[in-house]
Amino acid sequence: SQQGEEDPQALSIQEGENATMNCSYKTSINNLQWYRQNSGRGLVHLILIRSNEREKHSGRLRVTLDTSKKSSSLLITASRAADTASYFCATITTGNQFYFGTGTSLTVIP
Amino acid sequence: DGGITQSPKYLFRKEGQNVTLSCEQNLNHDAMYWYRQDPGQGLRLIYYSQIVNDFQKGDIAEGYSVSREKKESFPLTVTSAQKNPTAFYLCASTHPEREEYGYTFGSGTRLTVV
Repeated sequence: SQQGEEDPQALSIQEGENATMNCSYKTSINNLQWYRQNSGRGLVHLILIRSNEREKHSGRLRVTLDTSKKSSSLLITASRAADTASYFCATITTGNQFYFGTGTSLTVIP
Repeated sequence: DGGITQSPKYLFRKEGQNVTLSCEQNLNHDAMYWYRQDPGQGLRLIYYSQIVNDFQKGDIAEGYSVSREKKESFPLTVTSAQKNPTAFYLCASTHPEREEYGYTFGSGTRLTVV
């Protein structure tokens, strides 16, 4: 399978702490995207990082990409209770195939 | 506001019935997708369409059918041939030249077999 895998599967932190989740994939990619899903809802696009980029920021989000290790990380700084959700990485391969990872469930405790 | 509308939000199906899930978008996106999500798992692609009157099977197309008669609409029919249809179904769309914005998703339809 070319599907990405997130690590950890579940993460519980206190409000104000930073949350880091990782994504690994298997094939060459054009870009990698991170999405957020609140319980019982659709996914919301957070950020895209291209294969020639190493780091990208958007507000409290920081994404890194290491194509040599075929991995990416999403860092959420100064977490809030409202950040509680599942987070998915999605890869667009060089063959234009789109694959979602298995997700990290984040719980931020107030 | 532009977006994707999925209906109904909840759907119950009896054994042997076909049901159709609606997906409508007013984003002027060319490409539309149907995904299935099982509890605690990622998304699996059922069908996708890059243009009107054309669609392609995804990874788990068996027991499903779609049509794309209009750019705005991409309904999914779950047929009686789908043996385990209980799941959360998500519709998405994207514009190939606006990849920075990623995929736009609907709010989903939860289908339950009773």
